[in-house]
Amino acid sequence: QVQLVESGGGLVKPGGSLRLSCAASGFTFSDYYMSWIRQAPGKGLEWVSYISSSGSTIYYADSVKGRLTISRDNAKNSLYLQMNSLRAEDTAVYYCARGIVGATSSYWGQGTLVTVSS
Amino acid sequence: EIVMTQSPATLSVSPGERATLSCRASQSVSSNLAWYQQKPGQAPRLLIYGASTRATGIPDRFSGSGSGTEFTLTISSLQSEDFAVYYCQQYNNWPPLTFGGGTKVEIK
Repeated sequence: QVQLVESGGGLVKPGGSLRLSCAASGFTFSDYYMSWIRQAPGKGLEWVSYISSSGSTIYYADSVKGRLTISRDNAKNSLYLQMNSLRAEDTAVYYCARGIVGATSSYWGQGTLVTVSS
Repeated sequence: EIVMTQSPATLSVSPGERATLSCRASQSVSSNLAWYQQKPGQAPRLLIYGASTRATGIPDRFSGSGSGTEFTLTISSLQSEDFAVYYCQQYNNWPPLTFGGGTKVEIK
């Protein structure tokens, strides 16, 4: 079955960096676009970034552009989010997800918590 | 950016009753709208895509309607497992993909 498992979250100081990973299994990873979505504590969902199946097309939310970088390694069935220049407002649970652009099925990981605090 | 507005923020409903949730887009999104359900501590689950098509495994008590700027999610007879937060999301005009602020369905 489809599984997405995020890792790499934790506590980081403002201005610091973190790299999130998402390990995919149960499907042909290289066939699917992927996204990162985040949810601040007690708040709603915010789309963060999108990457096409080949990695050739990438989009970001304005709030993270220039600081967060999405990438993927299809040989390792993995999705990444490099997070630099982190701010307190980046504190959230970060989900990786497959199928959030009109797909007939959608799969999300369990999320990984990133806390930006001094 | 298309802004999605959900109402009400909280809906108090008794088990077995009908719940009607609204979602409004700041400009037309055609039928390119999805609904998600999220329970505490869990990831969102896709309920509806294309404004009205149920995702695989979703019970038929969930139905979606609307097009353009006005959408509705109806839960015909609320079960205990349906008490959760519901989000709408447009994918017609992106980036960015945008979500509504959510409607919490709570037990009355």
